[in-house]
Amino acid sequence: KAGVTQTPRYLIKTRGQQVTLSCSPISGHRSVSWYQQTPGQGLQFLFEYFSETQRNKGNFPGRFSGRQFSNSRSEMNVSTLELGDSALYLCASSLGTDSGNTIYFGEGSWLTVV
Amino acid sequence: SQKIEQNSEALNIQEGKTATLTCNYTNYSPAYLQWYRQDPGRGPVFLLLIRENEKEKRKERLKVTFDTTLKQSLFHITASQPADSATYLCALGLNPTGGGNKLTFGTGTQLKVEL
Repeated sequence: KAGVTQTPRYLIKTRGQQVTLSCSPISGHRSVSWYQQTPGQGLQFLFEYFSETQRNKGNFPGRFSGRQFSNSRSEMNVSTLELGDSALYLCASSLGTDSGNTIYFGEGSWLTVV
Repeated sequence: SQKIEQNSEALNIQEGKTATLTCNYTNYSPAYLQWYRQDPGRGPVFLLLIRENEKEKRKERLKVTFDTTLKQSLFHITASQPADSATYLCALGLNPTGGGNKLTFGTGTQLKVEL
């Protein structure tokens, strides 16, 4: 079956702009999580959506937001981009029905803010 | 403060030997712990999960132990191969009150297996 698909794979944005990243989870998976990965901070949890509701949230400012659609696809948005938002943004999907469900990551979206 | 520490230095071992990677944590009470492999430019790939009431898990050449008293997990790759070269991440699974998944990752250990 198809894995987790993230688009776009690479993008460059200017400070102050906003960006939307998209994630299609594995068919049948209802949980989608988003993570930010940077060399300095490593992988950090942004938020998790399950059945169109945000179920968990990390410690990121309100400029970072997300949503999930009825088909489980998810988008995350970052507004008023800062240089420090340059990172690999990873989406992960799982069944979401039990803690410890296997989590499958996509290949990520590389965001560069200039 | 809360911390997850993995071997900060890269680990170089010879092919055929056993690689042992360490994950130590403080001020967390994880319900489970996972190990992932990440290759450059790629997303992490799930390897093993071990729950708080389990001491050891195995999968083919991989073995993970979990000591909640020492707050430590060890990850072993036996009969290592150059193809095992990658960054290995440990992740603590915390059970948020609302349920669901919320992983807290260590910084990773870069493993290089040499011929």
